[in-house]
Amino acid sequence: DTAVSQTPKYLVTQMGNDKSIKCEQNLGHDTMYWYKQDSKKFLKIMFSYNNKELIINETVPNRFSPKSPDKAHLNLHINSLELGDSAVYFCASSYDREGDYGYTFGSGTRLTVV
Amino acid sequence: SQKIEQNSEALNIQEGKTATLTCNYTNYSPAYLQWYRQDPGRGPVFLLLIRENEKEKRKERLKVTFDTTLKQSLFHITASQPADSATYLCARGVGDSSYKLIFGSGTRLLVRP
Repeated sequence: DTAVSQTPKYLVTQMGNDKSIKCEQNLGHDTMYWYKQDSKKFLKIMFSYNNKELIINETVPNRFSPKSPDKAHLNLHINSLELGDSAVYFCASSYDREGDYGYTFGSGTRLTVV
Repeated sequence: SQKIEQNSEALNIQEGKTATLTCNYTNYSPAYLQWYRQDPGRGPVFLLLIRENEKEKRKERLKVTFDTTLKQSLFHITASQPADSATYLCARGVGDSSYKLIFGSGTRLLVRP
């Protein structure tokens, strides 16, 4: 069983489109995250939810909107996609909001905006 | 602001040798540092966590140290194997009630057979 699963794995879309990435974890973790990894391989946090409550919202354009219907799911919706949004997006989860048992990452969604 | 710095140059070593990767942090010492392994096209995989009050932690062939004076963590892989070739990421926690992990850019390790 996959612990943290993201769909789709690859996403190619045109500028201006709206797209969503879905994430689910079956670990029973309380906290979930979205990270963005750019072409230089830097992993940068975007959002974090703890038990469906938004607890971290980094400086991310309003075009990005996370949604957590329950603590096992955290989806990412992106409006009006731009070329600069091209990156790999990783979903992750941790046992609690302190994260001191480590994070479990999904395999990533490679988003290419053309 | 808190930062994590890792050597961006790849580390190239011979199989059987010990690989040592360096992670430096700025400002105050974090409560813990974490190390992850990332293979191409995959998500990072958690390896080890070391707390501020721990000098050293081991797991099989892996050893991590935490030096609050030098503001540095060292990650060692003993008896390295080609299968250890990957990018290794260091991360620190930041924040109070809402902790987040800040990652370094990673160091790529290449183990030659």
